[in-house]
Formats: sequence, structure tokens, C-alpha cells
Amino acid sequence: GIQVEQSPPDLILQEGANSTLRCNFSDSVNNLQWFHQNPWGQLINLFYIPSGTKQNGRLSATTVATERYSLLYISSSQTTDSGVYFCAVGGGGSNYKLTFGKGTLLTVNP
Amino acid sequence: DTEVTQTPKHLVMGMTNKKSLKCEQHMGHRAMYWYKQKAKKPPELMFVYSYEKLSINESVPSRFSPECPNSSLLNLHLHALQPEDSALYLCASSHDRVGQPQHFGDGTRLSIL
Repeated sequence: GIQVEQSPPDLILQEGANSTLRCNFSDSVNNLQWFHQNPWGQLINLFYIPSGTKQNGRLSATTVATERYSLLYISSSQTTDSGVYFCAVGGGGSNYKLTFGKGTLLTVNP
Repeated sequence: DTEVTQTPKHLVMGMTNKKSLKCEQHMGHRAMYWYKQKAKKPPELMFVYSYEKLSINESVPSRFSPECPNSSLLNLHLHALQPEDSALYLCASSHDRVGQPQHFGDGTRLSIL
């Protein structure tokens, strides 16, 4: 199956700092989603981005499908941005299966 | 993604109990999913239903029994679970076309005593 690697595994920031999270995948994809899982376990859909660039407020994402990676940018981070960020991809011959990376644990300190 | 509703939010059960987890969506999605997430791990796919028919079973033990009674509802029946089955169970739905984004519910946190 498709392999997904996220980096860094852990990230600690001061409030107001910017950060970039990376997701590498091993095969062509027909689906790529970025999620934020908050401390209560809610999995919040940030972006659906199998290719191209999108922005939503302080967050933006870019996927370069030909080079098999995606980046999530967080600007002017806030303490509420803390949590785990997952990249999940679909592809490799499956119409349905979403394979998650291990996530990046982000801690934003005041 | 609050458009997918899961109940209950928390469930504590003994190993001999029978219980069910419920998931409902009204987005007209025809693909529905169950995922299991252990602490500090990513979600892992368990089952996929497409047009109310089981499409994928990721070698899940038979003590987990899924059911899709109609296009809006997805159940997960639990029986004779083990302590290692304690986890967050997430339901998701999507349009039944290649590469469609999946929308997740808030999950049921299950504890097996």
C-alpha cells in the first residue's frame, strides 16, 4: 500500500511564530487531506488538496503531486493551534482507503 | 466536521456486554467508513460501505459487526470485546467517487473494562 511520512514528528513554537509541516507519499494520489486533531480528539478537516495550493486564513497548503509531497503552512501560530496534524492520502489503486501519516504533534506556548 | 454525528460520545462496557455505535450523515454521501484510533496513533481503516453494501473489511475481528441499514446510517455492533479494543472510533462519509474528501464525526471514545 501507499506509504505516508510526516515531518517533523514534534514541534514546539512560541505564539506568533510560523511553521511548515511536510508530508511525503510513495505513490500517485487521488486524495490528500490535512487534518487537525485537537486535544478532545476531534478530527477537523483543514484542506482537501490532491494538487495545487489553497489558503484559509492563517493556514495554507501546497501539494506537488509530481514530486509526491505536500506542505502545510501555519502563520502567526496561536495556542489553539496545538494538537496533532495529520496528512492522509488516498490512491495506489484504492478508491476509498485513506492512509494516515503518523502525524506532527504541535505545541504552541504562550 | 459536525455534519457527521456519532453517538454515544463515550461508552464504557464490560467484556461480556453487547453495545452499538451509531453514525448518521445527511450530506447525501453514499460511502461510509469506520476507523479505529488508538492513543498516540493515527486512525486506521476498519470498514467501508458503498451504497449500503460492505466494500472493504480490513481483516477486522468478528466481534466487530458493521451494519448499514440505509444511506444515512452506519452502525457498529460490539460483542465480547477485549481491553485492547479500547480506542476512539471514528465514522466518516464521502461521495462515492474516486478521490472524494472524507468528512469525519467527532468519534466515540470506548473503554472496555
